[in-house]
Amino acid sequence: DAKTTQPNSMESNEEEPVHLPCNHSTISGTDYIHWYRQLPSQGPEYVIHGLTSNVNNRMASLAIAEDRKSSTLILHRATLRDAAVYYCIRVPFGNEKLTFGTGTRLTIIP
Amino acid sequence: DVKVTQSSRYLVKRTGEKVFLECVQDMDHENMFWYRQDPGLGLRLIYFSYDVKMKEKGDIPEGYSVSREKKERFSLILESASTNQTSMYLCASSYPRGSSYEQYFGPGTRLTVT
Repeated sequence: DAKTTQPNSMESNEEEPVHLPCNHSTISGTDYIHWYRQLPSQGPEYVIHGLTSNVNNRMASLAIAEDRKSSTLILHRATLRDAAVYYCIRVPFGNEKLTFGTGTRLTIIP
Repeated sequence: DVKVTQSSRYLVKRTGEKVFLECVQDMDHENMFWYRQDPGLGLRLIYFSYDVKMKEKGDIPEGYSVSREKKERFSLILESASTNQTSMYLCASSYPRGSSYEQYFGPGTRLTVT
């Protein structure tokens, strides 16, 4: 049970920002939010993770709601190479294991 | 860059055969994982190892076993392959036990059992 809810699919235009939502209304205080993505014919790759504060890295930004019941992965300027399935995963602190749901399939329109 | 490699990208085996899937990581990671991925079901954890010779069952261990004799290598074994084990198999590794560090995945092995 992944305990997160994501839309099955989303579309976005190339070179525009993309906001991928995730609901995790039953999150506990020490659960991290991790995002992974899986490009076609590849294994998943780590994107970003956070606990309470918004986080930025070279790939994306993660905005976590103040009540932590939802979060949004932000791709600032989508490219065709960002077309992938994006997974939002709750990870209890100290837990090595990931429980994947079915994710959001992101399509980028040229 | 962390590298996780899997021995084959594609494999075709017959029902009843013993199958070995090999995974090697080059970053001295303690944790290693085996998942399978099926359409509509996402990735499901089969087995997990947090140290050499140590293993834990994941969510779907039935029909599988694992071996970790060296830190960098984690093998998944199908003792007697069956058609319902046709799937994409993904290996991953990560840093020490008790951490929530990111996992690094290999490219996957697509196994077909006929």
